[in-house]
Amino acid sequence: DVKVTQSSRYLVKRTGEKVFLECVQDMDHENMFWYRQDPGLGLRLIYFSYDVKMKEKGDIPEGYSVSREKKERFSLILESASTNQTSMYLCASRLQVKDPYEQYFGPGTRLTVT
Amino acid sequence: SQKIEQNSEALNIQEGKTATLTCNYTNYSPAYLQWYRQDPGRGPVFLLLIRENEKEKRKERLKVTFDTTLKQSLFHITASQPADSATYLCALDSYNYGQNFVFGPGTRLSVLP
Repeated sequence: DVKVTQSSRYLVKRTGEKVFLECVQDMDHENMFWYRQDPGLGLRLIYFSYDVKMKEKGDIPEGYSVSREKKERFSLILESASTNQTSMYLCASRLQVKDPYEQYFGPGTRLTVT
Repeated sequence: SQKIEQNSEALNIQEGKTATLTCNYTNYSPAYLQWYRQDPGRGPVFLLLIRENEKEKRKERLKVTFDTTLKQSLFHITASQPADSATYLCALDSYNYGQNFVFGPGTRLSVLP
């Protein structure tokens, strides 16, 4: 089974802190994604990566950056956390984009910025 | 801009009945559509995929239809059980790089015993 793990289930940070969220997948998937999920707004794509060292902005990239130095790991960085970044963050991976493969999601990180 | 709507933020049905969830979209030409299930506090889990040239797909008690003319997908759960209670998300995708998954807001289904 594909496994997508995220570094923390719950995280509390202070405004202005730099925050790192890590995601690791174990199935050699090419594509990886970061979403945030908020009540009433659904899943919104922050960034995605087609392959190592490649990244594309999603719908709401402002205030975030990403890093993908190795195929299995995709990191989301909040350069200076703000209270409006309090949310559930979900990482996902997919084999590749050329065929209709499903996304596999991690358990999520609930981030609270105070 | 692309928009996906899932009719009914919440849906309550009686155990044993068929649940029907709707996904409508505009300003999008998906090559295929997927349905996911999400339990509280967890990530979504893939259920079914249907391509643009397929009318219907079935898997056990689940059935999905896809009408590209109406720009609509219907998701059915027959003989529903309390364990089917969850939020169900539809997602659209295409083969175009740069146009990626777009998720609907979800429908929270409650199956009452």
